[in-house]
Amino acid sequence: DTEVTQTPKHLVMGMTNKKSLKCEQHMGHRAMYWYKQKAKKPPELMFVYSYEKLSINESVPSRFSPECPNSSLLNLHLHALQPEDSALYLCASSQAGPGGTYEQYFGPGTRLTVT
Amino acid sequence: GESVGLHLPTLSVQEGDNSIINCAYSNSASDYFIWYKQESGKGPQFIIDIRSNMDKRQGQRVTVLLNKTVKHLSLQIAATQPGDSAVYFCAENLWGKLIFGQGTELSVKP
Repeated sequence: DTEVTQTPKHLVMGMTNKKSLKCEQHMGHRAMYWYKQKAKKPPELMFVYSYEKLSINESVPSRFSPECPNSSLLNLHLHALQPEDSALYLCASSQAGPGGTYEQYFGPGTRLTVT
Repeated sequence: GESVGLHLPTLSVQEGDNSIINCAYSNSASDYFIWYKQESGKGPQFIIDIRSNMDKRQGQRVTVLLNKTVKHLSLQIAATQPGDSAVYFCAENLWGKLIFGQGTELSVKP
């Protein structure tokens, strides 16, 4: 099983709402990632978890709050978002190790629209 | 700043022809490179990777070439098919972070 699943597929939320994005993998990977992708642009790294601990935060605003409850799950909690946060949010996973030189498997993404 | 870029934003090829997608990277310390394919509405899909101690790697219908002297990466697709139509991203690993290039949209004409 080389699948990364993400829910929901689409999400529309107001600027005062609180919502969460979910990601799951069962490949035994110990590194998990959140990326943001705007239309016609490449994915941009947001967060990296390694062995359930946050190892990289790419200066992401605090209205995005990641959580890794166990080795298979990764959440992204959203609160007080802005319209410019509308994007495709991608989750990925890989084997963990020094230097990160392992293939990352991506999920299909959650299309987020902030109104 | 540090970035990975692509020479051409779009590429149109005839079905059956070979395609070459190019990528320039600027970080000499990058030690691992990946090519991804992204179809509309989907997440990036791994195509092929190469480590910095190699200069060529072949997969099924795809070949990646790495020239560290000029910091250049290319993806060659043999006998391009309509199903190859997508956006292709190169990505470099720098200190545990994957940095993506801007992407090339490949269009295959039947």
